[in-house]
Amino acid sequence: GNSVTQMEGPVTLSEEAFLTINCTYTATGYPSLFWYVQYPGEGLQLLLKATKADDKGSNKGFEATYRKETTSFHLEKGSVQVSDSAVYFCASRAGGTSYGKLTFGQGTILTVHP
Amino acid sequence: EAGVAQSPRYKIIEKRQSVAFWCNPISGHATLYWYQQILGQGPKLLIQFQNNGVVDDSQLPKDRFSAERLKGVDSTLKIQPAKLEDSAVYLCASSSRIGEDEQYFGPGTRLTVT
Repeated sequence: GNSVTQMEGPVTLSEEAFLTINCTYTATGYPSLFWYVQYPGEGLQLLLKATKADDKGSNKGFEATYRKETTSFHLEKGSVQVSDSAVYFCASRAGGTSYGKLTFGQGTILTVHP
Repeated sequence: EAGVAQSPRYKIIEKRQSVAFWCNPISGHATLYWYQQILGQGPKLLIQFQNNGVVDDSQLPKDRFSAERLKGVDSTLKIQPAKLEDSAVYLCASSSRIGEDEQYFGPGTRLTVT
């Protein structure tokens, strides 16, 4: 079955530092890949997505590239802000009978200090 | 546009009691999902509806969990009887159609079973 593995957290950074959160996946076929973010007290919301190999998703300064050869979808941001403090979830969605079903990683807590 | 609404936000019950959660998806969204998020883990899909029909309930513990989506709009998720391991956040999400990239999540219901 499908699975998603994220780097162990939590991650603590100073403002303007570079961020990488690793994500790898296992799936049959070619899944779509997503990063969701959960800000304190809010529901999960889609941050970015990529639907095929070599696609780059980007939003709010965050980027992630779909790497089929390494089965990875690492999240990066060049300069984090305090407002980026949240929990980040990597997720995959396969087609076929699981169409629509998201498989999530365990989440990575990011804390950014001023 | 109103988001996904869930109630209650918090619930504390004793084991062997029953509990029900309610979800109102975004207006016009045909697909509705219930996820279980145990502390420190990513959300896990319990059941997926397309209008008022079940698309996927393969991970729903059917001996104690039930869900319905009458008239293809609101949905309720019930647990009867609850066990300690059911303590989790129950998330409802909706999307405009099956396979739509973005799922819109509600704030969740935090259940504590004592």
